[in-house]
Amino acid sequence: KAGVTQTPRYLIKTRGQQVTLSCSPISGHRSVSWYQQTPGQGLQFLFEYFSETQRNKGNFPGRFSGRQFSNSRSEMNVSTLELGDSALYLCASSLVPPSGGAQDTQYFGPGTRLTVL
Amino acid sequence: QKEVEQNSGPLSVPEGAIASLNCTYSDRGSQSFFWYRQYSGKSPELIMFIYSNGDKEDGRFTAQLNKASQYVSLLIRDSQPSDSATYLCAVKTSYDKVIFGPGTSLSVIP
Repeated sequence: KAGVTQTPRYLIKTRGQQVTLSCSPISGHRSVSWYQQTPGQGLQFLFEYFSETQRNKGNFPGRFSGRQFSNSRSEMNVSTLELGDSALYLCASSLVPPSGGAQDTQYFGPGTRLTVL
Repeated sequence: QKEVEQNSGPLSVPEGAIASLNCTYSDRGSQSFFWYRQYSGKSPELIMFIYSNGDKEDGRFTAQLNKASQYVSLLIRDSQPSDSATYLCAVKTSYDKVIFGPGTSLSVIP
């Protein structure tokens, strides 16, 4: 079974631009979560989607948004990029949203490394 | 108080020794606990999960959970240089979010 895929793998943008990142979950997985990872802040939760609905959201500004499609694929968008948005953006999928037990297990994609100049 | 805390590290152990990684969490209602390993430049990969008090063993890895003390640990027996990585503790909280700790960097010295 194929793992979680993310595109693109690397991206370089300039301040003020916007960016869209894509994530395809493991086949059969319906929950997709997004994380931002930086050396200083570690792995920070952005949001989680299940059945095209946002179930949870982290403490990020409204410039960060996402959506999920009927095939469970997900995209996240960052508008008006800032230097501090440079990070590794990770997508993780699980069978169902966190509900207790093994089904909570999240599997990560390879990430998209975003550099904002 | 941070929601999930881990040893600050870095932790260095000689090859063949036992590495002990610790994690504490603040939400008493947390239900599921995960350990991930992350090599430099790579994404986290799941080592194991645990959700019942006690020990869970998988090969050289043993996870220990004590919900009363709000403590979860990971023991790596017969540590190998290939175990050198950052280990992330993750906790599924009672409010349906998975929170990651800051990670502990482990270095296994040949």
